[in-house]
Amino acid sequence: QKEVEQDPGPLSVPEGAIVSLNCTYSNSAFQYFMWYRQYSRKGPELLMYTYSSGNKEDGRFTAQVDKSSKYISLFIRDSQPSDSATYLCAMRETSYDKVIFGPGTSLSVIP
Amino acid sequence: EAGVAQSPRYKIIEKRQSVAFWCNPISGHATLYWYQQILGQGPKLLIQFQNNGVVDDSQLPKDRFSAERLKGVDSTLKIQPAKLEDSAVYLCASSLMVSGISYEQYFGPGTRLTVT
Repeated sequence: QKEVEQDPGPLSVPEGAIVSLNCTYSNSAFQYFMWYRQYSRKGPELLMYTYSSGNKEDGRFTAQVDKSSKYISLFIRDSQPSDSATYLCAMRETSYDKVIFGPGTSLSVIP
Repeated sequence: EAGVAQSPRYKIIEKRQSVAFWCNPISGHATLYWYQQILGQGPKLLIQFQNNGVVDDSQLPKDRFSAERLKGVDSTLKIQPAKLEDSAVYLCASSLMVSGISYEQYFGPGTRLTVT
């Protein structure tokens, strides 16, 4: 079993749709959870950063963490063509700095 | 604020040749990372530096890969000899270190390596 798993997609949605992206993980020691966005031929950029369980909202983006299920989600409201990218979940343990990335989900938002 | 700089952006080499990548982190960032991202996969940490010391190189194939950060600023990653399976994007990232904890990692654009 891989440490972090994501559905690779590709996921294609119409503009304005609500998008749900998900990751599962196996290491119960993970405490910090992140979502990165990676445009084609660019490096990843941090979108959301959450600690432990709960929800965090930032504009059109909402991150949810359910540690009991080892499941995290990213919701994008009113999706825009500019949201078309690969979304990588990432996580790390509290006391150790190494970040483990998921394989990414490719998202296309069609105008 | 200038971002993380990497060069070259693209490189094509034949197997068994050597190649080197260069990274200049954001000014003041003590922590520097090299990641390998194979097509369709997430970045995998190869090596992490804190200033000019190695913090984690557990996933660096040391028989062929080497990295250095001599003055605690810019860094080079070398592959010698290259194999077909080394074809990937090599990403450099840097972050601030405060009270022993590294915060947000900022990534460069990457170097896309093709080994033929």
